[in-house]
Amino acid sequence: QKEVEQNSGPLSVPEGAIASLNCTYSDRGSQSFFWYRQYSGKSPELIMSIYSNGDKEDGRFTAQLNKASQYVSLLIRDSQPSDSATYLCVLDRGKLQFGAGTQVVVTP
Amino acid sequence: GAVVSQHPSRVICKSGTSVKIECRSLDFQATTMFWYRQFPKQSLMLMATSNEGSKATYEQGVEKDKFLINHASLTLSTLTVTSAHPEDSSFYICSAHRADQPQHFGDGTRLSIL
Repeated sequence: QKEVEQNSGPLSVPEGAIASLNCTYSDRGSQSFFWYRQYSGKSPELIMSIYSNGDKEDGRFTAQLNKASQYVSLLIRDSQPSDSATYLCVLDRGKLQFGAGTQVVVTP
Repeated sequence: GAVVSQHPSRVICKSGTSVKIECRSLDFQATTMFWYRQFPKQSLMLMATSNEGSKATYEQGVEKDKFLINHASLTLSTLTVTSAHPEDSSFYICSAHRADQPQHFGDGTRLSIL
């Protein structure tokens, strides 16, 4: 079992719709969770960080964490073509543990 | 603006050349810097952890004599790929870290060895 699991996609989302990305992890001791966005040929950029159970909202992005279910998700509201990228679910255990990434394609 | 600067952004050189990549944290003192490598359509793979003033810690399978890391100050780490060969062609990315903060990545260096 991989330490961080994500559906690789591609996830096709119509412009203006909500993109829902899911991530599960195996280490129950994980405390710090991040979503990074990576455009093709570029390095990852931090979108959201979340450390406690529940929801965290930042603009069009909402991260959700459920430690009991070992589940992290990211919602992107009002998806725009510029949101087309690979989204990485990442855990910090001293070293970052990366999911394989979910490719999101927002279609006009 | 960028908090981590990486230079150069792209290098094309002949096989056997040594290539140095610099990573600078611009607005904070990074206790730790990390070096990653990313091959096409794969996720980032940690190569080594660099702590200022001490030897880098390399991940299993990464040759420390081939990938030389120097962390001379709290704002600068360098990765030197020695005697590079075509199989070393990859996207190299650094990140800077301070306690209790997410890692910030540099813009990456695309290395192409001919």
